Amino acid sequence: NAGVTQTPKFQVLKTGQSMTLQCAQDMNHEYMSWYRQDPGMGLRLIHYSVGAGITDQGEVPNGYNVSRSTTEDFPLRLLSAAPSQTSVYFCASRGGPEKLFFGSGTQLSVL
Amino acid sequence: GDSVTQMEGPVTLSEEAFLTINCTYTATGYPSLFWYVQYPGEGLQLLLKATKADDKGSNKGFEATYRKETTSFHLEKGSVQVSDSAVYFCALSRWSGTASKLTFGTGTRLQVTL
Repeated sequence: NAGVTQTPKFQVLKTGQSMTLQCAQDMNHEYMSWYRQDPGMGLRLIHYSVGAGITDQGEVPNGYNVSRSTTEDFPLRLLSAAPSQTSVYFCASRGGPEKLFFGSGTQLSVL
Repeated sequence: GDSVTQMEGPVTLSEEAFLTINCTYTATGYPSLFWYVQYPGEGLQLLLKATKADDKGSNKGFEATYRKETTSFHLEKGSVQVSDSAVYFCALSRWSGTASKLTFGTGTRLQVTL
């Protein structure tokens, strides 16, 4: 009963490097999303998807790309990492009326 | 736009004390209201929710009542335990177009001591 799985748990990047945060869910949820969590700011929506092939921007999309080729996977790409992207990232899928299931998070540091 | 305001933490209580974490919101229309809990090293989990005015959400001894007249959704528990130590997030959800938009508060850290 895996739920929402995120990898890696921790990552350190240098400014300008690229990387992909992986997210997979095994609950057959159509809706998936990415949030970042920063001290004193709660969670902010980066991108979301309402189904395979459909993505849209959230509150803070700049510097991030997403794609949704399958129902299960929703990777988040940082094309050129910046120190302002140091944060904890959470992937979530939605099942049932307005109930989000969160992964355990990826702690990213950009030096 | 929509917003959620929570009391700042950390909140430190002794075991068996009464807990209140205040939450107020600003939104148009009729949002649904939620409390999520984040235990150390984990993602957020839904704790309880209420979908209309005067509804009371409850779970694991926690309660919150949707008060439209005061735009509030305060979280309460009569007797906290050490295992309740976590960060608590108030959130609202409102339909905008074809998707529901979830807005979170900044979180309140609760520390319960023996």
